[in-house]
Amino acid sequence: SQQGEEDPQALSIQEGENATMNCSYKTSINNLQWYRQNSGRGLVHLILIRSNEREKHSGRLRVTLDTSKKSSSLLITASRAADTASYFCATDQSQGNLIFGKGTKLSVKP
Amino acid sequence: DAGVIQSPRHEVTEMGQEVTLRCKPISGHDYLFWYRQTMMRGLELLIYFNNNVPIDDSGMPEDRFSAKMPNASFSTLKIQPSEPRDSAVYFCASSGPGQGYEQYFGPGTRLTVT
Repeated sequence: SQQGEEDPQALSIQEGENATMNCSYKTSINNLQWYRQNSGRGLVHLILIRSNEREKHSGRLRVTLDTSKKSSSLLITASRAADTASYFCATDQSQGNLIFGKGTKLSVKP
Repeated sequence: DAGVIQSPRHEVTEMGQEVTLRCKPISGHDYLFWYRQTMMRGLELLIYFNNNVPIDDSGMPEDRFSAKMPNASFSTLKIQPSEPRDSAVYFCASSGPGQGYEQYFGPGTRLTVT
């Protein structure tokens, strides 16, 4: 069953702008992960945030987690055309198993 | 490490034929996952293994699908007989006891059943 749901389904921005994607989930989690998928490729792990963390940074990526609202957001700052991809959140169901959302399709126009 | 290896990258077959997809996980990883991705249904987990043992196959569509993991470095996903609705990209992923069992995906096999 679907655990994570990303919002919006699609996002189009200009290069240099920030992109924010949201994820909501239904049950308690140990951690939440974000992945990127370029067209025609496999998913690539971006960042993991544990349930006891509220914010995490990695380069131009900033992830927040609000366990009371069962939601997370992924912020990409100063976006580049190369950031064009689909972004998925994934939550752990049991050790080792993740449930992926349907993704947000991000388009960054040069 | 070469990452997760999948073969073939593309497969075109006729309805009714048997299709076998192959995966070599990252060495040292103890979990292996098979996913299917389509525009309509998104990314679906078909089955996953832990230490070569199938843990959850509830995502396998029907008896036409079967998966095996005879050893820690090889897994197959077989479809017999194949149908046009099986057309999709099939991904294999593996994970190990890292920070949070983040998954490493292979490049996928694009299957077209005509």
